[in-house]
Amino acid sequence: RKEVEQDPGPFNVPEGATVAFNCTYSNSASQSFFWYRQDCRKEPKLLMSVYSSGNEDGRFTAQLNRASQYISLLIRDSKLSDSATYLCVVTVSGSARQLTFGSGTQLTVLP
Amino acid sequence: DTGVSQDPRHKITKRGQNVTFRCDPISEHNRLYWYRQTLGQGPEFLTYFQNEAQLEKSRLLSDRFSAERPKGSFSTLEIQRTEQGDSAMYLCASSARTGGFYEQYFGPGTRLTVT
Repeated sequence: RKEVEQDPGPFNVPEGATVAFNCTYSNSASQSFFWYRQDCRKEPKLLMSVYSSGNEDGRFTAQLNRASQYISLLIRDSKLSDSATYLCVVTVSGSARQLTFGSGTQLTVLP
Repeated sequence: DTGVSQDPRHKITKRGQNVTFRCDPISEHNRLYWYRQTLGQGPEFLTYFQNEAQLEKSRLLSDRFSAERPKGSFSTLEIQRTEQGDSAMYLCASSARTGGFYEQYFGPGTRLTVT
């Protein structure tokens, strides 16, 4: 079983749609949670950290459910520029805090 | 540009050759990470430095791989006797503690092709 699992998609949605991505993680010791965005053949870029209480940044809302070991990302009013791969990421406790990535969910927003 | 930089951006080499990549982190970041990413997968952790000390290594980092960060600033990743399976994007990231989180910022990567 992978440590972080995501639906690979692809998700093809029209502009203006609301789309939700889900992610589960297997290590209950996971401590920090993030969503990264990766454009084709580019590096991953931090989209948002995910807090226990849930958090919102403009059109993006992230939720964390520690009991179910589940993370979600909601994108409202999707734009063409939102087309990318969205990577769910966790870290576990320990000195390194290295990131453990899911395989990513591909989103294409259609005009 | 104050982001993470990596050099070269692309490297094509023949099987059996040695290659070395360089990463320059964000200047105030004391933590530096190397990851490897293959097509269709998320990045996988290779190794981690805090200042000049290499504190963690993944089991993915075989004996052919070595990384250094001699002065706690830039880092190099060397692959000896390259194999076709080493073809991947090699990503460097740096981080510092920000509001309780160690948010990592990635460089543009070095794409390695072993022929």
